[in-house]
Amino acid sequence: EVQLVESGGGLVKPGGSLRLSCAASGFTFSSYSMNWVRQAPGKGLEWVSSISSSSSYIYYADSVKGRFTISRDNAKNSLYLQMNSLRAEDTAVYYCAREVRDEMATIKVFDYWGQGTLVTVSS
Amino acid sequence: QPVLTQPPSSSASPGESARLTCTLPSDINVGSYNIYWYQQKPGSPPRYLLYYYSDSDKGQGSGVPSRFSGSKDASANTGILLISGLQSEDEADYYCMIWPSNALGVFGGGTKLTVL
Repeated sequence: EVQLVESGGGLVKPGGSLRLSCAASGFTFSSYSMNWVRQAPGKGLEWVSSISSSSSYIYYADSVKGRFTISRDNAKNSLYLQMNSLRAEDTAVYYCAREVRDEMATIKVFDYWGQGTLVTVSS
Repeated sequence: QPVLTQPPSSSASPGESARLTCTLPSDINVGSYNIYWYQQKPGSPPRYLLYYYSDSDKGQGSGVPSRFSGSKDASANTGILLISGLQSEDEADYYCMIWPSNALGVFGGGTKLTVL
């Protein structure tokens, strides 16, 4: 059974840092690209970042570029999101999501999601 | 990144059909993109429903009933999620998504569907 379990959320002051983790199990983690998607309280979904299976390709939304860093450790079946210079608008539930794609990467789907971890940025 | 426009809310009665729309900005042609749809119920993560590019290029998520289908209205530059035979369990938030650059993802603002 595929499982994604996020951790590391909590309360942090503006300007602070936090590192989120996502522990994966039930599939060959090293074969899949992974993503972070966030959802502010009562708001919609926002794609945050993606990382390819071997970490060769990394992308960020404009809203977090330069502040957040995505990484992974395939030996530990884990995905990470280092969040620096946090702002109040970064307050959200952060989900990790497995990305499945076709051979040409023209179809990219988030087929499994974790339950999310809440990050609150407040003084 | 582009903005995908979804009506904040929609409602329909059980057994009826619901047509949820996702309008792309005018500088992005809906005909050129896969439109992905996700469903989210309160307290749960999103669930992938389907993608639609054309009638010959579409896909259903695992276990997603055939009552859920996609289409496009090119004249309105809009992607459409059609839910037929509405059931109470279909009450949820629905999000469209595209990959405008094949690297950066964009979600619509979501539509809250109420089954009356």
